[in-house]
Amino acid sequence: DAKTTQPPSMDCAEGRAANLPCNHSTISGNEYVYWYRQIHSQGPQYIIHGLKNNETNEMASLIITEDRKSSTLILPHATLRDTAVYYCIVREWSGNTPLVFGKGTRLSVIA
Amino acid sequence: DAGVIQSPRHEVTEMGQEVTLRCKPISGHNSLFWYRQTMMRGLELLIYFNNNVPIDDSGMPEDRFSAKMPNASFSTLKIQPSEPRDSAVYFCASSSLVNEKLFFGSGTQLSVL
Repeated sequence: DAKTTQPPSMDCAEGRAANLPCNHSTISGNEYVYWYRQIHSQGPQYIIHGLKNNETNEMASLIITEDRKSSTLILPHATLRDTAVYYCIVREWSGNTPLVFGKGTRLSVIA
Repeated sequence: DAGVIQSPRHEVTEMGQEVTLRCKPISGHNSLFWYRQTMMRGLELLIYFNNNVPIDDSGMPEDRFSAKMPNASFSTLKIQPSEPRDSAVYFCASSSLVNEKLFFGSGTQLSVL
């Protein structure tokens, strides 16, 4: 029962911003948006998460629409090392609710 | 911190054999998760523990699969008997709490011939 919809693949030129969209139209008020990525042959890696405000850290920025039905992960200056599968996940903050991964978006950064 | 440590990195076995995968979570983390990844099914949650107690094992595919966490620093995932369809990458992850960010190990690539 997928809570999020992501495009299966995207390309981005090296040095340009990569904007990865995610639709979560059924998100509830106590659910956060999480982003992880998985570089080939490695375990997934946490990137960022947010509730309703935009968030930024050293890896990326997360923009959540006002109605919270969609979000965009922004990698401001993509490098070849950012080539990976990016997962957008919605999850309740409270209680024992583990992460459930969907299919994600395969981002290819091209030189 | 060494991160989540899994062993072995690669395991090749024959159908019917017992397979044991091992995981050492990050010290101080209270939650541990086992995931399985295949091309067809993606990344699936098998089971997770909180304070060494199994919380939800509904993702365990069959009775052939079992997982234990005898203490805070060690967990095993056992498959007995193994079958070719069990071939996958098995990831272990830990977090300070169930709803905190996950740290994944490098995975065990299992091939059952």
